[in-house]
Amino acid sequence: DTGVSQDPRHKITKRGQNVTFRCDPISEHNRLYWYRQTLGQGPEFLTYFQNEAQLEKSRLLSDRFSAERPKGSFSTLEIQRTEQGDSAMYLCASRAASVRSYNEQFFGPGTRLTVL
Amino acid sequence: KNEVEQSPQNLTAQEGEFITINCSYSVGISALHWLQQHPGGGIVSLFMLSSGKKKHGRLIATINIQEKHSSLHITASHPRDSAVYICAGGKGTTDKLIFGTGTRLQVFP
Repeated sequence: DTGVSQDPRHKITKRGQNVTFRCDPISEHNRLYWYRQTLGQGPEFLTYFQNEAQLEKSRLLSDRFSAERPKGSFSTLEIQRTEQGDSAMYLCASRAASVRSYNEQFFGPGTRLTVL
Repeated sequence: KNEVEQSPQNLTAQEGEFITINCSYSVGISALHWLQQHPGGGIVSLFMLSSGKKKHGRLIATINIQEKHSSLHITASHPRDSAVYICAGGKGTTDKLIFGTGTRLQVFP
């Protein structure tokens, strides 16, 4: 257990439905990342938060995707009008801020989304 | 060309063998990470390197900044080492990770 939790762990939905995932980072970590991993591939970056500010979004994040981190604590990732191509593992990671050195990222267990 | 490339994609070994996984990366990548992923998805950070060499138990990671190359070594491999090993580079002001495609390692008794 890395200290980062994600909910739900598995989600099965029908095409066209909306889904929302939650990530609870390690409490003192102010930096939070979302990644997506499709079968047999390495994860790909989706978006980054520093405290409550969303500072970077990948081009992979279409307008059907939205992420928030109210109050700089937990984060949510919502996918509207899901498509079969959205089926993937959605991973959240957090890390502490550091002025002098780069810190490792701690990953949650992921949410596996299946769109039927 | 991918910014982070690793090889081999698949690796099988007999218990006790010495294992090496290689990773090359492009300009713009800062710290280099080695991660382990077990079936079911959870990812665990093994090492983070910006120079030199690090060792933890039977795992050793090295990096050559000039050649932009890193290696992960496993000494005296064991079946419980079976997992996917992923190389990733931190990039940009956000230090987002750019991942390789992973190496699937199977160690047989």
